[in-house]
Amino acid sequence: GEDVEQSLFLSVREGDSSVINCTYTDSSSTYLYWYKQEPGAGLQLLTYIFSNMDMKQDQRLTVLLNKKDKHLSLRIADTQTGDSAIYFCAESISTNAGKSTFGDGTTLTVKP
Amino acid sequence: DTEVTQTPKHLVMGMTNKKSLKCEQHMGHRAMYWYKQKAKKPPELMFVYSYEKLSINESVPSRFSPECPNSSLLNLHLHALQPEDSALYLCASSHVSSGNYEQYFGPGTRLTVT
Repeated sequence: GEDVEQSLFLSVREGDSSVINCTYTDSSSTYLYWYKQEPGAGLQLLTYIFSNMDMKQDQRLTVLLNKKDKHLSLRIADTQTGDSAIYFCAESISTNAGKSTFGDGTTLTVKP
Repeated sequence: DTEVTQTPKHLVMGMTNKKSLKCEQHMGHRAMYWYKQKAKKPPELMFVYSYEKLSINESVPSRFSPECPNSSLLNLHLHALQPEDSALYLCASSHVSSGNYEQYFGPGTRLTVT
């Protein structure tokens, strides 16, 4: 079955780059997502990558996908205090009719 | 308009009450979702509606009753809840697709059952 794993915590200094990692088990995954959740708020879709891609860049965000190792990463350049949040990795499979599997989330703390 | 709205923001209810949570989107999405989220945990899928029909029910207790009156609205009717049902209830929507289910989430309703 599907399983998505993430490390629970990451702490960086303001201005540094942050790299949040995720591993997944289902090799038939078609789309992989990164969501951000700030305290007391819903989830915000940051970016997604299709499984036939290796990399996707969107402003300060870079997503890297290693299909062989089933490893996904999100790099945030020039991390700001406003980036402090929980980041969830998720996957969806075309046969699952809308059901996405979420990782447990990585809490990113940005120190000034 | 990429907004999903949810009302109310906060709800306190007793175990004998009946209440409803509401969700609305105007992005033309034909898939809508209810999730339950406990503190510091990922969202847990409860229900999925696709083209206004219930397509996924993740074995949710019958005290939770979803309803999709039209393509823009999603309700969750609550009755005889338990204290352990206290959580953040999130609504989301997406296009119906052959694989890409990028979801747009509302801000959630914080539910407390006393």
